[in-house]
Amino acid sequence: SQQGEEDPQALSIQEGENATMNCSYKTSINNLQWYRQNSGRGLVHLILIRSNEREKHSGRLRVTLDTSKKSSSLLITASRAADTASYFCAYTTSGTYKYIFGTGTRLKVLA
Amino acid sequence: DVKVTQSSRYLVKRTGEKVFLECVQDMDHENMFWYRQDPGLGLRLIYFSYDVKMKEKGDIPEGYSVSREKKERFSLILESASTNQTSMYLCASSVDRWNVSYQPQHFGDGTRLSIL
Repeated sequence: SQQGEEDPQALSIQEGENATMNCSYKTSINNLQWYRQNSGRGLVHLILIRSNEREKHSGRLRVTLDTSKKSSSLLITASRAADTASYFCAYTTSGTYKYIFGTGTRLKVLA
Repeated sequence: DVKVTQSSRYLVKRTGEKVFLECVQDMDHENMFWYRQDPGLGLRLIYFSYDVKMKEKGDIPEGYSVSREKKERFSLILESASTNQTSMYLCASSVDRWNVSYQPQHFGDGTRLSIL
């Protein structure tokens, strides 16, 4: 399966701590995106990193990409209770429009 | 902001019924997608459409068909519903067919479908 794998599957932290989620994939990619999904809702796009980029920031989010290891990480700094959600990586491979989604990390931020 | 609206949040149908799931987007996007989401399996693409009346099969099209008669509306059809089609169905849209992989997808809130 080309499906991306994320770890950990679930993560519970205290408000104010940092949360790190990892995504691994098996093929060469065009880019990698991260999405957030609140319980019972659709996915919301967070950030896109291209295959020739190594790091990208957006507010409290920091994404890294290591194409040699076929992995990406999402760091949320100074987490808040409102960050409680599932986080998914998604990527496309050369010559295709299809997004392949990871299995997701469930993040719980305790107030 | 892009708004993608799915007609039902929850739906309960019986085995063998023909089921229609509707999705409408209001940003004149060319691309529309149907996914199903199951625990531990992430999102899997059922069908993709990049224009009116155009469709392409995704990874799991069996048992499903789609219809796109107008640009803003993309319908998913379960021809004869079965219990293994109980799932969360998510519709998404993105701008156009060029550089699809660099465009964020905008999702609806999903339809949780139960087939009894």
